[in-house]
Amino acid sequence: AQTVTQSQPEMSVQEAETVTLSCTYDTSENNYYLFWYKQPPSRQMILVIRQEAYKQQNATENRFSVNFQKAAKSFSLKISDSQLGDTAMYFCAFMKPRGGSTLGRLYFGRGTQLTVWP
Amino acid sequence: NAGVTQTPKFQVLKTGQSMTLQCAQDMNHNSMYWYRQDPGMGLRLIYYSASEGTTDKGEVPNGYNVSRLNKREFSLRLESAAPSQTSVYFCAASRTTDSPLHFGNGTRLTVT
Repeated sequence: AQTVTQSQPEMSVQEAETVTLSCTYDTSENNYYLFWYKQPPSRQMILVIRQEAYKQQNATENRFSVNFQKAAKSFSLKISDSQLGDTAMYFCAFMKPRGGSTLGRLYFGRGTQLTVWP
Repeated sequence: NAGVTQTPKFQVLKTGQSMTLQCAQDMNHNSMYWYRQDPGMGLRLIYYSASEGTTDKGEVPNGYNVSRLNKREFSLRLESAAPSQTSVYFCAASRTTDSPLHFGNGTRLTVT
């Protein structure tokens, strides 16, 4: 089974500063996808960013970027210019492409609660 | 554009009661999923449907059944609710089984 580990249960950052959330995963697969999802207090799960393992270039979405280290099996999320609206639980997730019995199942870490304070 | 819609948003059941959680998507996606989220845990897959007409067990299927009624709808049924099933349930849909998931807003279920 695949495992996803988020070692930081809670983090905080001041508004306008930069914060990095850590994620490591364990897999023997060569091709896979990695995601960061955000869950604000509204409970909605929102896709933040996606990375394909075969791409060496790190994904970027506006203020959100990742540091993908395939050999180290590390996938950290950097949030620049943090905003109060970034306060949320952040989940790292791993997906094997379809094939075999897993059919693209998404494996989640336990989450990091990020608080942005003024 | 509603995306993925779940009903109800909240539900309280007594042990042994049954109920069905409804999920519908208007994105014409092929794959649909049911997850549960418990405190301190990530989301765990209960059942999924890779395409219309197929369903498969996920990580924690015991105590649940599902129906993929058509391409739009995927329901989750608890036949005899137990306190261990107190959780927040999320339905999700994706274009294919290796596309990003789009989630509904969740159903908070309490079993007393």
